[in-house]
Parts: sequence; C-alpha cells; structure tokens
Amino acid sequence: EDQVTQSPEALRLQEGESSSLNCSYTVSGLRGLFWYRQDPGKGPEFLFTLYSAGEEKEKERLKATLTKKESFLHITAPKPEDSATYLCAVQAYYGGSQGNLIFGKGTKLSVKP
Amino acid sequence: KAGVTQTPRYLIKTRGQQVTLSCSPISGHRSVSWYQQTPGQGLQFLFEYFSETQRNKGNFPGRFSGRQFSNSRSEMNVSTLELGDSALYLCASSVELQETQYFGPGTRLLVL
Repeated sequence: EDQVTQSPEALRLQEGESSSLNCSYTVSGLRGLFWYRQDPGKGPEFLFTLYSAGEEKEKERLKATLTKKESFLHITAPKPEDSATYLCAVQAYYGGSQGNLIFGKGTKLSVKP
Repeated sequence: KAGVTQTPRYLIKTRGQQVTLSCSPISGHRSVSWYQQTPGQGLQFLFEYFSETQRNKGNFPGRFSGRQFSNSRSEMNVSTLELGDSALYLCASSVELQETQYFGPGTRLLVL
C-alpha cells in the first residue's frame, strides 16, 4: 500500500536555527514527490516537485532533496513568517493515465523570534 | 493569473441534508481533483476529473459524487450528510493529469 510518513509532527525553532523536515514514502512507481505549505484556514500552497533520486530544488530559505525512500525539506535560517504546516505528497503511476496525491499528516513548524 | 476559487467558503448544514460545493480551476487547467481534510485523517483524495470524465476515485462512500463541466469548472455533492462529513473540502487544478496540482482556499463544512 502506498504510504507517506512525515516527521517530526511538530517542530519549534528559534529564528535563525536551521533544521530539516523528513518525508519517508513507500510507493509502487514514483511519478513525483510534492511539498506544500499550508497556513491555518487556507489551502495548501505549492512549493516544489521532485521527480528522481538525487534531485534538489531551492526557493529562498527552503531546499528540498529526494532519495529513493525519503525526501528532506531543509530550512536555513528560518524567520517567523516560515511558521506553517509543511505537507509532503507522492504521486504514483497508475497505468500512465491517473494518480492522485497521497499526503502525509504534515509537520507543524513554529519559528519564534 | 487568478488562482483556484471555491464557493462557498463556509457552510453550516444539519444531518441528513445535502450540499453542493463549487470549484473554478485556474484558467487553462483541465484537470480538477477534490480532497477532504480533517484533523484526524489529514488530506484524503476524493476524486479526479479530466475532460468531464471521472478518472480516479478515492475510498469514500457513494454519498460523495462530483462532476465536471465543459469549461472545466467542477462541483461536488454530498448527500445525506453525517456529522463525520464536517471537514475542509479542497479543490485542486492542474494543466493535465499527473501534473502539479494547485489548491484553492477550500470550503469549510460544518454538519450539526
């Protein structure tokens, strides 16, 4: 069964204290791994898509990496405005024509000034 | 470019009633997916539409249904509402199937 597990569930950082969020997955044929950010009461906001092991993508203070079994979201020198829930999702190949997103439960990040 | 829009944003219903939620995708996007988000279960896939056809369906009872129109706009319907249907319902659109999905703000449904 396809599955996504995110850790830790919650993370509290001081402003400027770098850290990493983990997303481990099992999927039969990975088409893509996605990272989203969700603020309270809002829909998820797209951050990154990773397609193959070894791929890395960066955006401001965020960097996402992918291996064959997990992905990391590295946050460098975070600011209070980075506080949000970060969601990881995988999409599998299903006969080449469909494949819904399977989400993890998310990591709630709090950055204190 | 305008993002995904969902209406209404908030809804209060009572058990046994039915509800229809609406989603307008990003202009040019042809695929629309629906998800249910609850504190306990997280984000769970409901169904996916492309070219007015349901292409994929999650593990939800038949009370949950949807459709897509020729302009790619989509609606989902929940009949005979139960207390457990209280959730944030999210719509996401993508250019094609299996492309990056962009989410709307959601419709928060409360069933009393």
